[in-house]
Amino acid sequence: GESVGLHLPTLSVQEGDNSIINCAYSNSASDYFIWYKQESGKGPQFIIDIRSNMDKRQGQRVTVLLNKTVKHLSLQIAATQPGDSAVYFCAESRAAGGSYIPTFGRGTSLIVHP
Amino acid sequence: ETGVTQTPRHLVMGMTNKKSLKCEQHLGHNAMYWYKQSAKKPLELMFVYSLEERVENNSVPSRFSPECPNSSHLFLHLHTLQPEDSALYLCASSLSGATNEKLFFGSGTQLSVL
Repeated sequence: GESVGLHLPTLSVQEGDNSIINCAYSNSASDYFIWYKQESGKGPQFIIDIRSNMDKRQGQRVTVLLNKTVKHLSLQIAATQPGDSAVYFCAESRAAGGSYIPTFGRGTSLIVHP
Repeated sequence: ETGVTQTPRHLVMGMTNKKSLKCEQHLGHNAMYWYKQSAKKPLELMFVYSLEERVENNSVPSRFSPECPNSSHLFLHLHTLQPEDSALYLCASSLSGATNEKLFFGSGTQLSVL
C-alpha cells in the first residue's frame, strides 16, 4: 500500500549550517510532492513542491530533490536559522475527484541551536 | 494569516456532548478538507469536499459528520466522541484542478474529550 515516511524524527543543527530532511515514499505512481512546515500552534504551511518530471527545484534558501529510482525526496535548507525550527512534513499527492489529495509522512522535528 | 480560519481554537467536551467545528476560507478555493493530527502520527485525511460535493471519506466513524454548505464554509459535527478522538483537527482548502494544488491550512482546533 501507499506509505510516506521520514527517516529521522528529530534533526538538530547549529544556526548557519545546512539542513537536510529526508523522506521515502512507496507509490511509484505518485506524481506530485510537497514539503510543508508546521510551527508550534499553527497549521502546516506550504514550502515547496515538485512534480515527478523534475528531479530538483529551488526556492529561497530551500531546495527539493526527487529521486524516483529509489523513491526518495529530500528538503535542503541553506544557512538554517532559528526561525526554521519546526516540524517538516513531506506529502505525496494523488488525483481524486478533480483534486490532488496529499498523503502526509510522519514529520521530522528540526531544532536549530543558536 | 493563511486565509483559512478555524473556530474554536480549543474545545473540551464530554463524551455525551454535541459540538461543531467551523472552518471558513477567504481564498476563493473550491475544495476543503478535514485532517486529524494526533501526537506521533501522520496527518490523517478525514473528508474532502470538491465543489461542495464529498469526494473522499476515509472510513471515519459516524460520530464525525461533515457539512459543506458552500465553497467557503466547512463544518465538522461531533457527537458521542471517545477519549481517543482527542487531537488537533485541521481544516484546509485548495483550488481544485490547479496545476500546482497546494493546501492552505487553518491553525486547527485542539479537541479534548473527557
